[in-house]
Amino acid sequence: QQQVKQSPQSLIVQKGGISIINCAYENTAFDYFPWYQQFPGKGPALLIAIRPDVSEKKEGRFTISFNKSAKQFSLHIMDSQPGDSATYFCAAYITWEYGNKLVFGAGTILRVKS
Amino acid sequence: NAGVTQTPKFQVLKTGQSMTLQCAQDMNHEYMSWYRQDPGMGLRLIHYSVGAGITDQGEVPNGYNVSRSTTEDFPLRLLSAAPSQTSVYFCASSYSKGSIHSGEKLFFGSGTQLSVL
Repeated sequence: QQQVKQSPQSLIVQKGGISIINCAYENTAFDYFPWYQQFPGKGPALLIAIRPDVSEKKEGRFTISFNKSAKQFSLHIMDSQPGDSATYFCAAYITWEYGNKLVFGAGTILRVKS
Repeated sequence: NAGVTQTPKFQVLKTGQSMTLQCAQDMNHEYMSWYRQDPGMGLRLIHYSVGAGITDQGEVPNGYNVSRSTTEDFPLRLLSAAPSQTSVYFCASSYSKGSIHSGEKLFFGSGTQLSVL
């Protein structure tokens, strides 16, 4: 119930295409959903985040779509570029009686072909 | 600002050896944590600290010890290394545990790649 399921495990997209990464959760106590981007040899870095009272958030070419009823959220990268090639992690923050914590998905390795 | 600094970057151990992974941050962050990253399993929390002298277990604490004697440093100790501890380890910090929920980013170090033979 504290898991965040992420798919696909890996993704290859042509330059200029749209990259879509999906995440799902079960526990409705999750109430904050950040995405982290990790380049090879580096630590993850916060990319964009959303709260469940908003259905979409856009920052440049990156958009999070959030479906509260389905308990799903996704990252869309428009006009994907080779520089976007990285591992992407969705995450969810839970605040409940057992304490609060950030739970990460398994990650998606994105490769954008030029 | 250096941010979060981890040392060493690479380490090879033999089964049964012990070692300490170092982590230091210069942002005066209260919250510090250790994650391990394994293929297909994402980032899993090992231990965390909400301030000097206060530590707690995460999802996968077995085989690891931590202590927090200063605000800046949060070392991770492997007591008796096992092949199952082969992984990439990340230290991360933020202003406070609750500030992550408020939108503050979790700052990660660049990682330590550990192999246990």
